Amino acid sequence: DVQLVESGGGLVQPGGSLRLSCAASGFAFDSHSMNWVRQAPGKGLEWVSSITSSTRTIYYADSVRGRFTISRDNAKSILYLHLTSLRAEDTAVYYCARVAYGSDGFYAGFDYWGQGTPVTVSS
Amino acid sequence: AIQMTQSPSSLSASVGDRVTITCRASQGIRSDLAWYQQKPGKAPKLLIYAASSLQTGVPSRFSGSGSGTDFTLTISNLQPEDFATYYCLQDYNFPLSFGGGTKVEIK
Repeated sequence: DVQLVESGGGLVQPGGSLRLSCAASGFAFDSHSMNWVRQAPGKGLEWVSSITSSTRTIYYADSVRGRFTISRDNAKSILYLHLTSLRAEDTAVYYCARVAYGSDGFYAGFDYWGQGTPVTVSS
Repeated sequence: AIQMTQSPSSLSASVGDRVTITCRASQGIRSDLAWYQQKPGKAPKLLIYAASSLQTGVPSRFSGSGSGTDFTLTISNLQPEDFATYYCLQDYNFPLSFGGGTKVEIK
């Protein structure tokens, strides 16, 4: 079975750093683009970052560009998100999500999600 | 960046009702839109991709339509397990963007 398990969240002071991990299993991790999506308490979903299977292409939301870094270790099947210069508005549950591909090879949504890891930025 | 405007933000409906949720993109996005369902404390679940393709395992009472800028998610014969919050997501270009969400509540 496909599984995505996030870890690394916690309480951090403003200006601090964290590294989130997403351990993948049950599929060929190195064949899928991956994403991070976050959800602030009581708010909607916000896309954060994407990385292609080869790490050749990376994208960020404007709200995190220059502060967050996405990366992956295909040998270990782990996706990372390094969060720096954290602000109160970064407080959220952070989800990793797998990109699906249809039978034609085209993008077909985010078909598997982790359970989320909470990040709280507060002094 | 593309803005996704979702409406309504909430609605009340009864079991058996037909429910329609709309998403409007600030520019044309072809059919590059997905719909997700989220229940409290849970991760989102993919329902529809490419505007109208039903994800494997999702009941056929869920359907999606639209292209360009206007999209619709329809739930026919609403079931108790369908009470949740629904989000659209444009995947036409980066930065990807979600709609604000529609909370479907029990009337």
